[in-house]
Amino acid sequence: QKEVEQNSGPLSVPEGAIASLNCTYSDRVSQSFFWYRQYSGKSPELIMSIYSNGDKEDGRFTAQLNKASQYVSLLIRDSQPSDSATYLCAVSRSTLGRLYFGRGTQLTVWP
Amino acid sequence: DTEVTQTPKHLVMGMTNKKSLKCEQHMGHRAMYWYKQKAKKPPELMFVYSYEKLSINESVPSRFSPECPNSSLLNLHLHALQPEDSALYLCASSQVKAGGPSNEQFFGPGTRLTVL
Repeated sequence: QKEVEQNSGPLSVPEGAIASLNCTYSDRVSQSFFWYRQYSGKSPELIMSIYSNGDKEDGRFTAQLNKASQYVSLLIRDSQPSDSATYLCAVSRSTLGRLYFGRGTQLTVWP
Repeated sequence: DTEVTQTPKHLVMGMTNKKSLKCEQHMGHRAMYWYKQKAKKPPELMFVYSYEKLSINESVPSRFSPECPNSSLLNLHLHALQPEDSALYLCASSQVKAGGPSNEQFFGPGTRLTVL
């Protein structure tokens, strides 16, 4: 079983819809959870960090964490074509600097 | 300044060349990282420096040699690379908390390396 798994893409949603990206992780001692956005040919950009169970909102983005289910998700409300990118889920067990990345979910928002 | 910069943006080198990739951050971060990313794959960790000391080496071949001259700079020296080493090389930085580097890592734009 992979450390971090993301829902298989690609995901395609119309402009204005809610995009839902999911991620599960295998190690129960994981402590920190991140979502990165990566445009084609560019580097990953950190968009959300979440450390405790529940929801965390930042603008149109909401991250949800459920440690009991080992599940983290990212909701993008009012999706825009500029949100079209690959979204990487990353998980850390400790503070040693090692992130475990999922393979990414490619999101396309069509006008 | 909340940016990680990398030079060069693009690099083409032969298998016998020696070149270096450079990374700089001015966010006061004391942990810096090198990653390698192949197309349609997630970033793979290569090295971690914490307080200018190498703390993680992910069994990277010796043809890749990292160097951290000070808290703001990180270099990756390249020698005798293979075509399969062609990839996007990413630098990242993060704060260091009491127990070690924070994993809220901020990436630079990357260097696109092609080995002929």
